[in-house]
Amino acid sequence: AQSVAQPEDQVNVAEGNPLTVKCTYSVSGNPYLFWYVQYPNRGLQFLLKYITGDNLVKGSYGFEAEFNKSQTSFHLKKPSALVSDSALYFCAVSPRRGGATNKLIFGTGTLLAVQP
Amino acid sequence: ETGVTQSPTHLIKTRGQQVTLRCSSQSGHNTVSWYQQALGQGPQFIFQYYREEENGRGNFPPRFSGLQFPNYSSELNVNALELDDSALYLCASSLEGALNSPLHFGNGTRLTVT
Repeated sequence: AQSVAQPEDQVNVAEGNPLTVKCTYSVSGNPYLFWYVQYPNRGLQFLLKYITGDNLVKGSYGFEAEFNKSQTSFHLKKPSALVSDSALYFCAVSPRRGGATNKLIFGTGTLLAVQP
Repeated sequence: ETGVTQSPTHLIKTRGQQVTLRCSSQSGHNTVSWYQQALGQGPQFIFQYYREEENGRGNFPPRFSGLQFPNYSSELNVNALELDDSALYLCASSLEGALNSPLHFGNGTRLTVT
């Protein structure tokens, strides 16, 4: 079965410190990989995606993610956390199908709490 | 550029009733997907509409149905509501045919079934 795992329900980090939010996936083939962020009572906002090419992908708000094919991981990172980064982060995969995005399979989310 | 808009924002229904949720896609987008996000969970894919036809469906029963209109807006209908249908329903639009066009989500409709 296709699935996405976010092993940490919550990640706590001090402002100014680097942060990592972990994601591993189990999907056949070479899926497209995404990170979304959700603020309270809001929809999901797109942060970044990996399609092909360089394993380090840069996205919005200073976030980046590292794709590791052998470990089937796609961890989200930021060199210096801000209090305003506190939110719920979702990793998602889309099985490749005709080159177009179809359904997304989401992880259960990781709550990032950045302390001042 | 107009983003994805959903209505209503909140809704309370009684078990057994029917509900219709509405979504206007982002301008320039031709595909609409619906997701159910239960409390404390990630969104679950319900179905996707493209060219007014269902173009993929997740593991949801037939009482979940949808429509897409010529202007690409969409409706999600749920019949015979159950308590477990209480969730945030998210609509997302994208551009089919554009390589990996990311989904753009609306703020959702919070449905409570009592």
